[in-house]
Amino acid sequence: KAGVTQTPRYLIKTRGQQVTLSCSPISGHRSVSWYQQTPGQGLQFLFEYFSETQRNKGNFPGRFSGRQFSNSRSEMNVSTLELGDSALYLCASRWQGDTGELFFGEGSRLTVL
Amino acid sequence: AQKVTQAQTEISVVEKEDVTLDCVYETRDTTYYLFWYKQPPSGELVFLIRRNSFDEQNEISGRYSWNFQKSTSSFNFTITASQVVDSAVYFCALRRGGGSEKLVFGKGTKLTVNP
Repeated sequence: KAGVTQTPRYLIKTRGQQVTLSCSPISGHRSVSWYQQTPGQGLQFLFEYFSETQRNKGNFPGRFSGRQFSNSRSEMNVSTLELGDSALYLCASRWQGDTGELFFGEGSRLTVL
Repeated sequence: AQKVTQAQTEISVVEKEDVTLDCVYETRDTTYYLFWYKQPPSGELVFLIRRNSFDEQNEISGRYSWNFQKSTSSFNFTITASQVVDSAVYFCALRRGGGSEKLVFGKGTKLTVNP
């Protein structure tokens, strides 16, 4: 069974640009969530989606947005990039139900210059 | 508010030593879940264990064991006879019950096992 796939794995952008990251969950998983990992703040929750609906959102500015498609694939977008957005962005998927664990992808490492 | 504290930022041991990674959590929920994840240099978070708030039974899986104590709000992780391949960053995390995906992570403990 293929794991969570994130693309691109690495990317470099400049301030003011925007970026779109993609996540393909494990087959059959309908729940997808996103996390940002930085050396200073650690792992922080961005948002979660289930059946194309955003169920929860972390404490991030409106520049961070996401969506989920009918095939459960998800994208997140960051507009007007700032230096502080440089981070590893991790996507995770889960089988529906309260007791399942999250399976994470290897992440997309974004560098903002 | 929920919070997870991993007081140990970095630990260095010699192969075959036992090592315990500490995790203390705060929550007002009665139903919650605790997790440990391992993050190797590749970046992927690898699931190790999940415990729900109603199950305080300790668990052993090979060289790994976990001690969950609600009385002290702790969920500690012990690696017995550590190996170089155990070198990674380990995260403890907390999630409330009710289906939310939101995990609250500790800052992580970087474990280095030297040969």
